[in-house]
Amino acid sequence: EDKVVQSPLSLVVHEGDTVTLNCSYEVTNFRSLLWYKQEKKAPTFLFMLTSSGIEKKSGRLSSILDKKELSSILNITATQTGDSAIYLCAVEENNDMRFGAGTRLTVKP
Amino acid sequence: NAGVMQNPRHLVRRRGQEARLRCSPMKGHSHVYWYRQLPEEGLKFMVYLQKENIIDESGMPKERFSAEFPKEGPSILRIQQVVRGDSAAYFCASSPRKVGINSPLHFGNGTRLTVT
Repeated sequence: EDKVVQSPLSLVVHEGDTVTLNCSYEVTNFRSLLWYKQEKKAPTFLFMLTSSGIEKKSGRLSSILDKKELSSILNITATQTGDSAIYLCAVEENNDMRFGAGTRLTVKP
Repeated sequence: NAGVMQNPRHLVRRRGQEARLRCSPMKGHSHVYWYRQLPEEGLKFMVYLQKENIIDESGMPKERFSAEFPKEGPSILRIQQVVRGDSAAYFCASSPRKVGINSPLHFGNGTRLTVT
């Protein structure tokens, strides 16, 4: 069964919009949750979250973890066409890492 | 419809031994990518293969590391004469076409290599 579920699977917005991507997980021994931006052959690391409620920010991107709800959101404000990519969520438990299927974000001019 | 299968999940090798990591892509996928993840770091691209061909091996060390994706069977990442610094999680991903926004990667669960 899927242990890491991302939603929506696909999203189309216009430049300047704000988007929120979701990642929910079901693991036994949670260690961390990671967000990646995949646009070329190597996913770009965005954030690593281990503690609930602490927002991590990098420019227009921010992310927060909710361990109670077993989920995380990735926010992108003032989107640009260069934000178009697939955003991957991965959850680390013990010595395993599980990836979600990704959210495909398309930002139109 | 099985996802990307990697085995073994955990592999322990002594220094100097060989490590062979296997990756069976999703059905219908002919493009395979290998990545290495060091603790607290992102995924580092190693090699990109398309059935029987190495397309891009720019991220793979020139010595001791090799990869193949034969016509039949899984893709293999081989590390000869392993050293402690090779200890990491190695991930394989597959896609039906060259990766892009319309051709997402599907990841396996990884092989965690420990060199003692």
